[in-house]
Amino acid sequence: QQQVKQSPQSLIVQKGGIPIINCAYENTAFDYFPWYQQFPGKGPALLIAIRPDVSEKKEGRFTISFNKSAKQFSLHIMDSQPGDSATYFCAASKEQAGTALIFGKGTTLSVSS
Amino acid sequence: GAVVSQHPSWVICKSGTSVKIECRSLDFQATTMFWYRQFPKQSLMLMATSNEGSKATYEQGVEKDKFLINHASLTLSTLTVTSAHPEDSSFYICSALSTGRGYEQYFGPGTRLTVT
Repeated sequence: QQQVKQSPQSLIVQKGGIPIINCAYENTAFDYFPWYQQFPGKGPALLIAIRPDVSEKKEGRFTISFNKSAKQFSLHIMDSQPGDSATYFCAASKEQAGTALIFGKGTTLSVSS
Repeated sequence: GAVVSQHPSWVICKSGTSVKIECRSLDFQATTMFWYRQFPKQSLMLMATSNEGSKATYEQGVEKDKFLINHASLTLSTLTVTSAHPEDSSFYICSALSTGRGYEQYFGPGTRLTVT
């Protein structure tokens, strides 16, 4: 019940494409869903986060879609660039409880020029 | 804003020695910090939750006597790897919980530990 399942494990797109990364969770108590971007040898950086009261959130080229009934959320990267090549992690937690994030296994994205 | 630093960024130590890693929230106070461990090409594995002024809560399978965590102030948490062994070599990452920013968790840049 604590797992967050992320797919695909890796993804290759051409510059300008729209990679989509999907995550699913079981614990209905989760109410905070962030996405992190990590470059090799660096710590994860918060990209965008969503809470269950909205179905979509957009920040720049990054969009989260959230489906509460299906317990799924996804990250879309519009007009992807080679600089977006990184590992992306979805996560979930119970916000008010101040508990740690439960991470998905990560998706390695390669954007070819 | 929301910057978390870690020191050192990388460290090499000999087997049997101890290493201390510092995690600081530079522009916000963090009553809660978390310590993660990450192996190459894998996800982050939570080791422990550190609350200011109280004992850390360790995840199952993490040896609390080996990984000593201290959270003495609202901006500093430390992880000490005691009697390090080569299998402790890993990437250690801390994060700080910023409740003043709507519960955002910010990560440090990580510390690469190599035990020879």
